Amino acid sequence: RKEVEQDPGPFNVPEGATVAFNCTYSNSASQSFFWYRQDCRKEPKLLMSVYSSGNEDGRFTAQLNRASQYISLLIRDSKLSDSATYLCVVPRPSNTGKLIFGQGTTLQVKP
Amino acid sequence: NAGVTQTPKFRILKIGQSMTLQCTQDMNHNYMYWYRQDPGMGLKLIYYSVGAGITDKGEVPNGYNVSRSTTEDFPLRLELAAPSQTSVYFCASKRDRQSNQPQHFGDGTRLSIL
Repeated sequence: RKEVEQDPGPFNVPEGATVAFNCTYSNSASQSFFWYRQDCRKEPKLLMSVYSSGNEDGRFTAQLNRASQYISLLIRDSKLSDSATYLCVVPRPSNTGKLIFGQGTTLQVKP
Repeated sequence: NAGVTQTPKFRILKIGQSMTLQCTQDMNHNYMYWYRQDPGMGLKLIYYSVGAGITDKGEVPNGYNVSRSTTEDFPLRLELAAPSQTSVYFCASKRDRQSNQPQHFGDGTRLSIL
């Protein structure tokens, strides 16, 4: 099992749609998780941090299921500007602060 | 509120040349990282530092060197540029070792070796 696994997509959705991405992780001891957004050839930008069962920020909701070891990202009312690659990121269990990146899920929102 | 600043933004090098990619952060973060990202691929860790004077290798350190003489700066050195080092390079920083602290990325240096 990969340390962090995502469906690479691409997900092609119309504007206004609701779309959900899943991410599974292998280390049951992981406590914190992140969703980053990366536009083509740009830097990854932090979208949401996920600590407990989940959190919400406007149109974006992240949920954590520790028993099944997966994190999800829900985007409601998709905008054209949401088109990007979404990275599921899990801190590596060490003192180094290193991260384990999923391969990313590509979202294309169409008019 | 600059965050993580990388220079230059773009650079073209000839095979065998050397250069230093600069990275500085103004957030007083202890932890800093260098990644490379090839087209269509994920991020690969080159080197990292957990504080001034401390550096360590990541997944792909060959052909690179780093130093960390101050908390703010973490330059990446390419000594003998090779075409395989054509990539986008990202620097990132993190406040401390706590797992709930995210990494913050600079906007990258796009490097081509011809």
